[in-house]
Amino acid sequence: SQQGEEDPQALSIQEGENATMNCSYKTSINNLQWYRQNSGRGLVHLILIRSNEREKHSGRLRVTLDTSKKSSSLLITASRAADTASYFCATARLKNDMRFGAGTRLTVKP
Amino acid sequence: DGGITQSPKYLFRKEGQNVTLSCEQNLNHDAMYWYRQDPGQGLRLIYYSQIVNDFQKGDIAEGYSVSREKKESFPLTVTSAQKNPTAFYLCASRKVGASNQPQHFGDGTRLSIL
Repeated sequence: SQQGEEDPQALSIQEGENATMNCSYKTSINNLQWYRQNSGRGLVHLILIRSNEREKHSGRLRVTLDTSKKSSSLLITASRAADTASYFCATARLKNDMRFGAGTRLTVKP
Repeated sequence: DGGITQSPKYLFRKEGQNVTLSCEQNLNHDAMYWYRQDPGQGLRLIYYSQIVNDFQKGDIAEGYSVSREKKESFPLTVTSAQKNPTAFYLCASRKVGASNQPQHFGDGTRLSIL
């Protein structure tokens, strides 16, 4: 069964604006990861946050994790048309398998 | 360049036919995974393998089979028992032993029914 659920399902913004995507999950996790998928391609890893971390940055990406609420958010600042893609959260459990959500489809209009 | 190669990119299956999707990695990763992705959906785990000659069922293993005879290779067979095989299939690998390692993905195989 899928573990993470992203919200919103689709997001459309103008270039230069910030994009925020949320992820909720149901069980205890070891870490939470965000991936990006361009249309018709495989997933590319963006950022990983451990269960004992609350916030992490990587370039224009900022991820937060609230284990008490079982939720995470991905913020992309100063978005570009090239950021148009689907974004997935994935939760890793102790068994080393991962569960992916259904994703947020982000469209950045030039 | 190290990476994961999936082939073919597109595959067509006739009714009652088994087809095999190839996944090869040269990243020296121990763990490999197969996922199915339906339009507008997330990834669902079919099978995974942590070590050569061993694999476990994921959430939707029925109608699929795998083998792991070599560390580099993890082929997926879609059998005739899988009645709705049309989907995008993604293979991934991961380094085991070091904690908190991400998965690396191939570019997928799109399977359709003729």
